[in-house]
Amino acid sequence: ILNVEQSPQSLHVQEGDSTNFTCSFPSSNFYALHWYRWETAKSPEALFVMTLNGDEKKKGRISATLNTKEGYSYLYIKGSQPEDSATYLCAFPYTGTASKLTFGTGTRLQVTL
Amino acid sequence: GAVVSQHPSWVICKSGTSVKIECRSLDFQATTMFWYRQFPKQSLMLMATSNEGSKATYEQGVEKDKFLINHASLTLSTLTVTSAHPEDSSFYICSARRRQKIEKLFFGSGTQLSVL
Repeated sequence: ILNVEQSPQSLHVQEGDSTNFTCSFPSSNFYALHWYRWETAKSPEALFVMTLNGDEKKKGRISATLNTKEGYSYLYIKGSQPEDSATYLCAFPYTGTASKLTFGTGTRLQVTL
Repeated sequence: GAVVSQHPSWVICKSGTSVKIECRSLDFQATTMFWYRQFPKQSLMLMATSNEGSKATYEQGVEKDKFLINHASLTLSTLTVTSAHPEDSSFYICSARRRQKIEKLFFGSGTQLSVL
């Protein structure tokens, strides 16, 4: 099992603030990096699946970057809103597989008015 | 979008009983389903991978006789916790993938199991 580290563990921001958090993963044998958003009492929802070094993906106010050589990905949220409050998980496939994922512990984001 | 339905959402049972959790893909065929478990303040841990029509593959340390997985059709996988004990109390969640090779997973909403 590979180590996927996320930081910070939790984050509390005010509405309108921009924020970012980090996912670190093993840089060798890179295959793909997943980001999921998990709201309380709901199903985790995929945000991005990233495969190329230097890739940047965007979905509304949320974007992510990927550095496979140094083994990290950043998730950015611009102008946070209360509905962005959730736990953000990143995941990395087991060696030799495409979809057996090992997850980080997540970053819990709380956005207040 | 693809929807995965998981039932029940929560279950309380007595020690020694068995509990079945269902995971259904509602609008797509899931060739593979994954079962994860999460203990408080820990990450999702993969328990097993289930492929339609074949035996599940269990991760190291997961007892296959305790956690029975059946994937009888392309839309349904079940996890049965047999002879549950308090240490089996945890959050169990399924996920499914479609046929594509590199693709996001679609998750159920999870089942909180409490064994008294």
